[in-house]
Amino acid sequence: GQQVMQIPQYQHVQEGEDFTTYCNSSTTLSNIQWYKQRPGGHPVFLIQLVKSGEVKKQKRLTFQFGEAKKNSSLHITATQTTDVGTYFCAGPASGTYKYIFGTGTRLKVLA
Amino acid sequence: DTGVSQNPRHKITKRGQNVTFRCDPISEHNRLYWYRQTLGQGPEFLTYFQNEAQLEKSRLLSDRFSAERPKGSFSTLEIQRTEQGDSAMYLCASSLGPGQGYGYTFGSGTRLTVV
Repeated sequence: GQQVMQIPQYQHVQEGEDFTTYCNSSTTLSNIQWYKQRPGGHPVFLIQLVKSGEVKKQKRLTFQFGEAKKNSSLHITATQTTDVGTYFCAGPASGTYKYIFGTGTRLKVLA
Repeated sequence: DTGVSQNPRHKITKRGQNVTFRCDPISEHNRLYWYRQTLGQGPEFLTYFQNEAQLEKSRLLSDRFSAERPKGSFSTLEIQRTEQGDSAMYLCASSLGPGQGYGYTFGSGTRLTVV
């Protein structure tokens, strides 16, 4: 079945360092979404990318959708302790109404 | 608060008991989803409603699981004869239609512990 994988699984960074998580789908996606889940919290929607090669920025966060629409990345510049959490990508499962969530990347920021 | 509301927040039950969870979505959202999340994993799809119609149900769901959304408003998820493997966070989410670009709005979840 359709799978969405993310690497790395965990990442520890010093505050101020950059961070990148990569998302890969086994199938071409019509769009991709990114969510952040704080420890003990629930996933919160960050952004949706639709176009091939699309790049969107939200302050220190940069999201990119691959040319083939099978991969995506999230880059955080100069991490802060408030960036701690797990970042999930999610893609729509073809022929269904649901989104399949990736395995997540857990970010820890050391002050 | 106009977000997605889930009750109860926590539920501890003995194996073999039945449990029911409730979700109140954002009123403007006609799409409602149930997901299950275990520690260290991403949310796993369980079922989907558009208005009152249940349009999709995961093969992960055994016959012990049932969900309803009467009148297209709140939804309930019932688990009969609970097993220890059912212990997880049960997340409800609502959304506008696809292409709206707003993603899911998740509730805070119901954490189920089966002892």
